[in-house]
Amino acid sequence: ILNVEQSPQSLHVQEGDSTNFTCSFPSSNFYALHWYRWETAKSPEALFVMTLNGDEKKKGRISATLNTKEGYSYLYIKGSQPEDSATYLCAFMDGGFKTIFGAGTRLFVKA
Amino acid sequence: DAGVIQSPRHEVTEMGQEVTLRCKPISGHNSLFWYRQTMMRGLELLIYFNNNVPIDDSGMPEDRFSAKMPNASFSTLKIQPSEPRDSAVYFCASSLWGYGYTFGSGTRLTVV
Repeated sequence: ILNVEQSPQSLHVQEGDSTNFTCSFPSSNFYALHWYRWETAKSPEALFVMTLNGDEKKKGRISATLNTKEGYSYLYIKGSQPEDSATYLCAFMDGGFKTIFGAGTRLFVKA
Repeated sequence: DAGVIQSPRHEVTEMGQEVTLRCKPISGHNSLFWYRQTMMRGLELLIYFNNNVPIDDSGMPEDRFSAKMPNASFSTLKIQPSEPRDSAVYFCASSLWGYGYTFGSGTRLTVV
C-alpha cells in the first residue's frame, strides 16, 4: 500500500514569515515527486516535478528539496504573502506512473 | 492549447440514475487520470490510462463505476446507478510520461 503523508495538516502564518512543509513517501520504486498548489474553487496547479535524489527546485519565493533514499521532500516559502494561501499537495509517482497524492498542507497567510 | 477539458462542470442527478463524466486531455499527452475529491478522503486516484489502456483501476470504488478511453482525445467515467455517497468533485488530469499533471476544472457531482 502506497502511503504519502504531509505535515502539518494546516499552518497559519503572518505575512513575511518563511515556512516549510514536509512530504513523506515510499522510498522504493520511485519515479517522481510532484508538488502542486491548489486554491479553493480551482484546479491543482503544478509547481515542481522532481526526479533525482538531491534535486532542488526554485520558483520565485518557493523552493523544494528531495531525498529519495529516505523518502521525503520539503517545500519552502520565503516571505509568505496572502496570495500564497492555498493547499499544497505532494504526489508520489512510481515506476508504473501510478500517482498517489498526500492530503495536503493548508496554508493561511494573514496580512 | 485549451488545457484539459471536462464536462459537465456541474451535475445534479437523482439516486439511481446513470451519470457520465467526460474528459478531453491535452493533445499529445499519453497518460490520463481520473481523481475524486471529497472532504473525508482528499484527492483519490480512481483509475489511470497509459496510451489509452487502463493500467490500474484499483481505486474505483465498486462495480457501479466504469471508465473508458476509446481514443487518445477522449475519456469517460460512468456511474450506474448513482448514489448520494458518490457526490464529490471529479477531476481528470493528463500528463506526458508523468512529467507533471495538468488538471481539468473538475465536475461537481451531486446525487440527491
